[in-house]
Amino acid sequence: GDSVTQMEGPVTLSEEAFLTINCTYTATGYPSLFWYVQYPGEGLQLLLKATKADDKGSNKGFEATYRKETTSFHLEKGSVQVSDSAVYFCALMIWGGSYIPTFGRGTSLIVHP
Amino acid sequence: ETGVTQSPTHLIKTRGQQVTLRCSSQSGHNTVSWYQQALGQGPQFIFQYYREEENGRGNFPPRFSGLQFPNYSSELNVNALELDDSALYLCASSASTANTEAFFGQGTRLTVV
Repeated sequence: GDSVTQMEGPVTLSEEAFLTINCTYTATGYPSLFWYVQYPGEGLQLLLKATKADDKGSNKGFEATYRKETTSFHLEKGSVQVSDSAVYFCALMIWGGSYIPTFGRGTSLIVHP
Repeated sequence: ETGVTQSPTHLIKTRGQQVTLRCSSQSGHNTVSWYQQALGQGPQFIFQYYREEENGRGNFPPRFSGLQFPNYSSELNVNALELDDSALYLCASSASTANTEAFFGQGTRLTVV
């Protein structure tokens, strides 16, 4: 079945450091790929998405490029802030009568001042 | 435009009891999905409702059931609660089953003792 694998956390960084969170996927078709963010005590918020190979999703300084050849969708940010501390979830969706996301286990990011 | 709201925010139940969780979808959204998020895990899809009909179900037993009402709000019912049902239950709404952008509520934290 379809699955998403994320790097294990927590990822601990100092403010203004470069961030990469790895995400790879396995899918039988051509998925759309997503990153969601979950702040403490809150639900998930869509951060960015990409719907086809080589698309780049971006939002709030975060970027991820849909790499079909490596089945990856790594999340990057050039300079993290303390306010970016949260759990980040990679997800895929494939049409099967509806769009139901398959989530990774999440990667916790802790940014220190 | 109002967002997705869930109630209650926290709940403690005893093993064997039944529980009902509620979700009000975002204005104009006719599709509601429910997820179970165990501690340290990604959300797991329970089921989806579209225009009051179940439109897909994940790998959850029949004691997990749901309803969607004419105003597109929804309920998740869990019978014969087990300790492993302790989790954050998330509701997400979207404008249609063909829309990949889902908006999540803040979740209901269920603890079974």
